[in-house]
Amino acid sequence: SAVISQKPSRDICQRGTSLTIQCQVDSQVTMMFWYRQQPGQSLTLIATANQGSEATYESGFVIDKFPISRPNLTFSTLTVSNMSPEDSSIYLCSVGVGASYNEQFFGPGTRLTVL
Amino acid sequence: KNQVEQSPQSLIILEGKNCTLQCNYTVSPFSNLRWYKQDTGRGPVSLTIMTFSENTKSNGRYTATLDADTKQSSLHITASQLSDSASYICVVTSNTGGFKTIFGAGTRLFVKA
Repeated sequence: SAVISQKPSRDICQRGTSLTIQCQVDSQVTMMFWYRQQPGQSLTLIATANQGSEATYESGFVIDKFPISRPNLTFSTLTVSNMSPEDSSIYLCSVGVGASYNEQFFGPGTRLTVL
Repeated sequence: KNQVEQSPQSLIILEGKNCTLQCNYTVSPFSNLRWYKQDTGRGPVSLTIMTFSENTKSNGRYTATLDADTKQSSLHITASQLSDSASYICVVTSNTGGFKTIFGAGTRLFVKA
């Protein structure tokens, strides 16, 4: 298993500003993922972040809006840039472990409200 | 198109009662199916994970079943407790040479005293 922590747990931000969310894992993992969960919705994958390579973004998400860093095997950051109220969501960090990374563990999430 | 559909969308039951949540999927090729519990304001927590060859798996009062032929899964909760109130998400992974995970929309369960 993997224990994941995120900072901040929640924040209220003004439109046009940026917020960086940190994700820390208690063990070394190759595959990390960032998800967004809008109110009442299920999770949507933003990007896959593997250590040592550029993040891979899903359709509808771009690096300029959601830059990701993955400096080592236990840490990653997601920045939500130039925020608008539509960015209000829960942002979740996740790691893949096990054979073919089939098992996924999730962080507690960061609840972002943009005014 | 790879999809995961869950039913019902929401469910209200009395404490102590049993309930069953459904998950149908069209994901192919299939790698595994997982059920997660997500409390309000928290990240999802894994309940069960099943591969193609497994047709039932239990975790305490939670029992998941999988019929890979009909591409259906269910999550049965026995003797529900107030703390079972949460969203239950069915997740199917496809091993298409990469790692693709498809999430269901979830079933919102409310357990009342």
